[in-house]
Amino acid sequence: QSALTQPASVSGSPGQSITISCTGTSSDVGSYNLVSWYQQHPGKAPKVMIYEVSKWPSGVSNRFSGSKSGNTASLTISGLQTEDEGDYYCCSYVGSSTWVFGGGTKLTVL
Amino acid sequence: QLQLQESGPGLVKPSESLSLTCTVSGGSISSSSYYWDWIRQPPGKGLEWIGSISYRGSAYYNPSLKSRITISVDTSKNQFSLKLNSVTAADTAVYYCARRSTVTIVHAFDIWGQGTMVTISS
Repeated sequence: QSALTQPASVSGSPGQSITISCTGTSSDVGSYNLVSWYQQHPGKAPKVMIYEVSKWPSGVSNRFSGSKSGNTASLTISGLQTEDEGDYYCCSYVGSSTWVFGGGTKLTVL
Repeated sequence: QLQLQESGPGLVKPSESLSLTCTVSGGSISSSSYYWDWIRQPPGKGLEWIGSISYRGSAYYNPSLKSRITISVDTSKNQFSLKLNSVTAADTAVYYCARRSTVTIVHAFDIWGQGTMVTISS
């Protein structure tokens, strides 16, 4: 299984919206609504921000939203805040009880 | 509050085996609602799913690592473990253990350990 494809970096100004894409194949992202997104700050463990494509865990801001079209999932962050800066990873079910992550995207809030 | 804590040697010699344990505290590992996973992150790189296990011992592995890994569970100690054989420098990474739920935050890694750095070097 190959890693899902994410842009290496995205940036935005406070208050703006950004979208991070996560492209897989018809065997992973395209076949299952089991895409999750994780935020990671330097030296910290990842934190789940979105699960099942578009659902929020308790305590996660609704400024984060997820969607999927075909083989590509997306994470949108609206009303960017400085604390949103960090690395973001998507993850998808691949079948046969296995999972694959994206390569990660570094978000810079200018 | 459920917590996960990885433990094991921080330095392993090439060609030897890497063994890590994840201790679950604040809750029981023995629930059919959860899987217990290992995920790693090489320095400066992205996350890689290694494998998972249920409390009953059903294990699932990343196909790219399958020939070298074994994940096991010890419900009496509330622990699960990872063994990676024939390690090389490419296995140098922060290793995380994580919980994956099938009932609440469905099939996402909702609780993570703090991670443990393992360096492969002679």
